[in-house]
Amino acid sequence: ETGVTQTPRHLVMGMTNKKSLKCEQHLGHNAMYWYKQSAKKPLELMFVYSLEERVENNSVPSRFSPECPNSSHLFLHLHTLQPEDSALYLCASSQDEGGIYTFGSGTRLTVV
Amino acid sequence: EDQVTQSPEALRLQEGESSSLNCSYTVSGLRGLFWYRQDPGKGPEFLFTLYSAGEEKEKERLKATLTKKESFLHITAPKPEDSATYLCAVQARAGFQKLVFGTGTRLLVSP
Repeated sequence: ETGVTQTPRHLVMGMTNKKSLKCEQHLGHNAMYWYKQSAKKPLELMFVYSLEERVENNSVPSRFSPECPNSSHLFLHLHTLQPEDSALYLCASSQDEGGIYTFGSGTRLTVV
Repeated sequence: EDQVTQSPEALRLQEGESSSLNCSYTVSGLRGLFWYRQDPGKGPEFLFTLYSAGEEKEKERLKATLTKKESFLHITAPKPEDSATYLCAVQARAGFQKLVFGTGTRLLVSP
């Protein structure tokens, strides 16, 4: 595996469910990011981990909970989501918080 | 607040018909301006970084330029495989150096 891998690619969940998104990077980068992409809106930064410490939490509701167990893995735990949380969730990594990100293909989330 | 505005929202070209995409930005001290390409069902893919006004970068049919207020992505003699959404982002010098993205330009090149 190379680059940034996200699983699952698609997820449909009810508002009372709990699920997790997984991201793995094989590039040796030391920063990882979660972004939300909704139609006709700019990419919205959610969380940043640098050297496995969370350095940015962009006013994200507590129903989203990130976890970074090591520099290669990033999770986004989801619970009691709302329909407006339906979007493409993108994981990215970079070296030293530089602007050259490698993105995964994303998880298309639908909340019903 | 740092902001990026891209225009047009969508652009339809015939194969071989050159054009330009615009990215206007306001940022409190520019560290870098970035262009990404996003294909349907995929994450954005890095194309270029520009750091100072007057700088230019080229890759195949694409050429990115930068002024103090905006950047252009020039597409020369495009091919259908250039069809994608092109995203512009800025990174500020001060504070936490996150990328601020625009909403993108959807480009469709017809044969």
